[in-house]
Amino acid sequence: AQKVTQAQTEISVVEKEDVTLDCVYETRDTTYYLFWYKQPPSGELVFLIRRNSFDEQNEISGRYSWNFQKSTSSFNFTITASQVVDSAVYFCALSEADRGSTLGRLYFGRGTQLTVWP
Amino acid sequence: ETGVTQTPRHLVMGMTNKKSLKCEQHLGHNAMYWYKQSAKKPLELMFVYSLEERVENNSVPSRFSPECPNSSHLFLHLHTLQPEDSALYLCASSQDGVRFNEQYFGPGTRLTVT
Repeated sequence: AQKVTQAQTEISVVEKEDVTLDCVYETRDTTYYLFWYKQPPSGELVFLIRRNSFDEQNEISGRYSWNFQKSTSSFNFTITASQVVDSAVYFCALSEADRGSTLGRLYFGRGTQLTVWP
Repeated sequence: ETGVTQTPRHLVMGMTNKKSLKCEQHLGHNAMYWYKQSAKKPLELMFVYSLEERVENNSVPSRFSPECPNSSHLFLHLHTLQPEDSALYLCASSQDGVRFNEQYFGPGTRLTVT
């Protein structure tokens, strides 16, 4: 079973629209971390945000906001007033400790391709 | 150079060739990672190196061989690859290998096996 599910494969919006990217995760750990990354056409994943499992406070950074709800195991990402430069693939990821190792590993969702049209 | 760099950016190789991918991080980090990104599949962690540990995904075939000579450099040695190994190979680094550190990625090497 996949640990991180991004049900939206592709989303298209027109510039200035708001858009929400969904992320649902699955873990048995009580302590875990959730991340969002952006992958523009250049290929390099860019870190956007990290959230730990004990902090359910929503976060806003400019046009970006994140809604973390443990009750529904979701960590959704909203872009307000989208711009063409927001076009990219967005990945949600989960980090939990491997058994017998202190090293964490990131489990990625399949990503959501966001296209913002002018 | 800043961040995480990878060379080459593009590589085409035959199934009998031997090649190596190189990754270098300039962030002073102590952990480095190799990921494989195939079309329509989640990013797959292949190997993790930190100061004290190496962790590998047991499903990675032995035709992929990592090498981490120091905390700034990471190599992925390739030999006798298959066409299904064609993918984008991403290198990443983090402050250390613990689970709460964000990872910083390089631009990737686009590998095509013919």
